[in-house]
Parts: sequence; structure tokens; C-alpha cells
Amino acid sequence: NAGVTQTPKFQVLKTGQSMTLQCAQDMNHNSMYWYRQDPGMGLRLIYYSASEGTTDKGEVPNGYNVSRLNKREFSLRLESAAPSQTSVYFCASSEVEGRGYGYTFGSGTRLTVV
Amino acid sequence: AQSVAQPEDQVNVAEGNPLTVKCTYSVSGNPYLFWYVQYPNRGLQFLLKYITGDNLVKGSYGFEAEFNKSQTSFHLKKPSALVSDSALYFCAVREAGGGNKLTFGTGTQLKVEL
Repeated sequence: NAGVTQTPKFQVLKTGQSMTLQCAQDMNHNSMYWYRQDPGMGLRLIYYSASEGTTDKGEVPNGYNVSRLNKREFSLRLESAAPSQTSVYFCASSEVEGRGYGYTFGSGTRLTVV
Repeated sequence: AQSVAQPEDQVNVAEGNPLTVKCTYSVSGNPYLFWYVQYPNRGLQFLLKYITGDNLVKGSYGFEAEFNKSQTSFHLKKPSALVSDSALYFCAVREAGGGNKLTFGTGTQLKVEL
């Protein structure tokens, strides 16, 4: 009963470095999401994938790219990290839309860009 | 566009007293409403949801929420607070039939004291 698994849990990057955050779910969910959480701002949607093979921008996509590798996996890439991307990143998944399902969240990746 | 407001950054309550965490929402059509809880250094956990039907929704850990369409509110309540309820609470909304993207509030820190 792993649910949504995110790796790594912690990461420190230097400005300009790149990295990929990994996310995998084992619930056969169609939709997957990447959020960032910042103090006083709640969760903001970066990118989402409504189904395998599709991705769309959310509220704050600049500086990020995503790949829906297959139904299970949805990765988030920072091509050139900036201090403004210091945040906690959460991946989530959900069942098909239209049925009022909520999300299942991973435990998060705490990223610091120095 | 859909939105959620949580007007209180922090709510303090004594153990054994009732608690209320406020949430108001805005959507074009009918709302699907959710409450999530986040404990320190953890991902968000689902508490309860309103899709349709009875305006009083019961969820995990003794929490309940009341949907009020005229006031566009979905306040989280618990009759008797526990110290272990201390956490960060998020309200979220999505529009029925409008895709499965949830919009989250900024969160309310609940502190239950002895």
C-alpha cells in the first residue's frame, strides 16, 4: 500500500544546477499533479497530467518541465534552479475526473536552492 | 475561476472545546469541496469531502464539515478538540464537471492546548 512515492525527500542545489523530482503511484490513477508549498501561500499547481500522454500547465509553471513517463510515473524537472524555487514539492494522483475524488499525496520533497 | 479563502492563519483552542476552521469558496457551478490535514514534515491527508446530498459531512478522526450554499462556506468542525489535532488544515474546491484540478486555500494552523 505504497500510494504515491516521491524521491528524493531532501535536496540542496546550487543556483543553475538541474535536477529531476520523481513521482510514482501504484493505485492505477489516471491523473497526476505537481504542487509546490510555500509559507502563507498554500499549495500552488505547477503542472498536471489528466491522463497518460497529456500534460498541462498549472498556476506556476515557469522554470519547470514535466514528463508523464507512463501511467504510474510523473516527473518534474528543474532545468536551471533558482533560489525562488526553494520550496516543498508535492506530487499527487487522483481517479478519473467527474467522480468527485480527492487526491492522494506523496510525502514531499524539500528542495533548497543556494 | 475557482478559489478558496481561509480567513484565519491560525486558530487556537483548548483541549476539550469545540473547534471551527473556516473556509469559503467561489466556483461558477456546483462545487466539490474537500478538507485535508498536514502534520509536520508529512504530505496532505484526506479528511472529508462534500459532493452532493446531506449538508453535514462526517469524516476521519471525528471531524465534520457543514456545507452552506447560500454563504458559500464549508467550515470544518469538531465537537471536542484533542492536542493531537494540532496541524495545518487545507480547504480545497473544484467545480463539478470542470476537470479534476483542485484549488487549495492558504491553510489554517490549528493549535490545541492543554
